[in-house]
Amino acid sequence: NAGVMQNPRHLVRRRGQEARLRCSPMKGHSHVYWYRQLPEEGLKFMVYLQKENIIDESGMPKERFSAEFPKEGPSILRIQQVVRGDSAAYFCASSPRPDTQYFGPGTRLTVL
Amino acid sequence: ELKVEQNPLFLSMQEGKNYTIYCNYSTTSDRLYWYRQDPGKSLESLFVLLSNGAVKQEGRLMASLDTKARLSTLHITAAVHDLSATYFCAVDAAETSGSRLTFGEGTQLTVNP
Repeated sequence: NAGVMQNPRHLVRRRGQEARLRCSPMKGHSHVYWYRQLPEEGLKFMVYLQKENIIDESGMPKERFSAEFPKEGPSILRIQQVVRGDSAAYFCASSPRPDTQYFGPGTRLTVL
Repeated sequence: ELKVEQNPLFLSMQEGKNYTIYCNYSTTSDRLYWYRQDPGKSLESLFVLLSNGAVKQEGRLMASLDTKARLSTLHITAAVHDLSATYFCAVDAAETSGSRLTFGEGTQLTVNP
């Protein structure tokens, strides 16, 4: 059973471009969580999704950020018109039910 | 708002010594987790603590939970260099159980020969 997969692992964007981060949960896991980690800080919750539903997006910035978890395919975290402050590591986690979360390797976003 | 505080934030210790990392949280919790993160890597799950008085041990690491004091500890026994990493505690608050984890700031541990 492969672990949580994220791609790309590293992403470089210029200010104003769009960043699209993908997360494939572990097989059999229908709960997906996205977290952001700024340098030298802990992880901050962004959004919790189940298939085709956003359950909790209270940690998501109101503008430019969106997330989805379609019936087929990976979960996507989209950041529009990126700014330098969006540079961070973005981690996805999945679980088969709302308890222990298994983390992916992360996507490190650099905004030039 | 749930707050999770760890101390110390930075810990430099010699091999063979013992030390404890503390994690305080501000609200009722269903579960408390300890994770390890190596530089540039993802989070590795170390322990899940589910009830008051829970104690779990793996190698040189032992974690405990006191839900009444809202305190968890991660005790390191006879540290070795391989334990150098950043350690995070994370809380799954009762009112949002299963929805999100709230992380502490992390304790950056360096074990010197």
